Amino acid sequence: DTEVTQTPKHLVMGMTNKKSLKCEQHMGHRAMYWYKQKAKKPPELMFVYSYEKLSINESVPSRFSPECPNSSLLNLHLHALQPEDSALYLCASSQVPDSYGYTFGSGTRLTVV
Amino acid sequence: GESVGLHLPTLSVQEGDNSIINCAYSNSASDYFIWYKQESGKGPQFIIDIRSNMDKRQGQRVTVLLNKTVKHLSLQIAATQPGDSAVYFCAENRVDTGGFKTIFGAGTRLFVKA
Repeated sequence: DTEVTQTPKHLVMGMTNKKSLKCEQHMGHRAMYWYKQKAKKPPELMFVYSYEKLSINESVPSRFSPECPNSSLLNLHLHALQPEDSALYLCASSQVPDSYGYTFGSGTRLTVV
Repeated sequence: GESVGLHLPTLSVQEGDNSIINCAYSNSASDYFIWYKQESGKGPQFIIDIRSNMDKRQGQRVTVLLNKTVKHLSLQIAATQPGDSAVYFCAENRVDTGGFKTIFGAGTRLFVKA
């Protein structure tokens, strides 16, 4: 298995809702990442998990809460989002948190209404 | 501030021609660079990488050149095909207080005319 799987592919949520994005990989990668991508912009790093521990938080608002239950799974819990949080949320993984290319999932297209 | 940027936002080439996509970076301490391709509705896809101890690396139809003196990176695609149409991002891997992270440049959209 050489893929990163993200679910759901599309999500519409209200500003008072709580939802979660899920990411899964079975490549034995020990680093996982969340990126946010707005239309016609590059992906922006949100969080880095290294060996299941949060190592980098790029000053992301607390309404985004990451979780890494085990080495294969990465979640992003969403609560009280704003319409400007609407974007494509990308998950990625790499062998180790070092200089290696990432494998990206296809993303979750999130719309906050 | 530090950034990874691109000279051209769009590039249009004829099918069969060679394409060159350029990128400038500002962090001289960066030692690993990657090119990604992103097609509509998909996540970025790894194309090729290069470490700072190299100035050229070749893959299948793609070549990456690194000029550390002027902090410039380029991606060359030989015999460009319609399937090469996508947005191309250069990315820089750098060390932060928490560890390694990859920062993306602005992107170049490549159009291939049949």
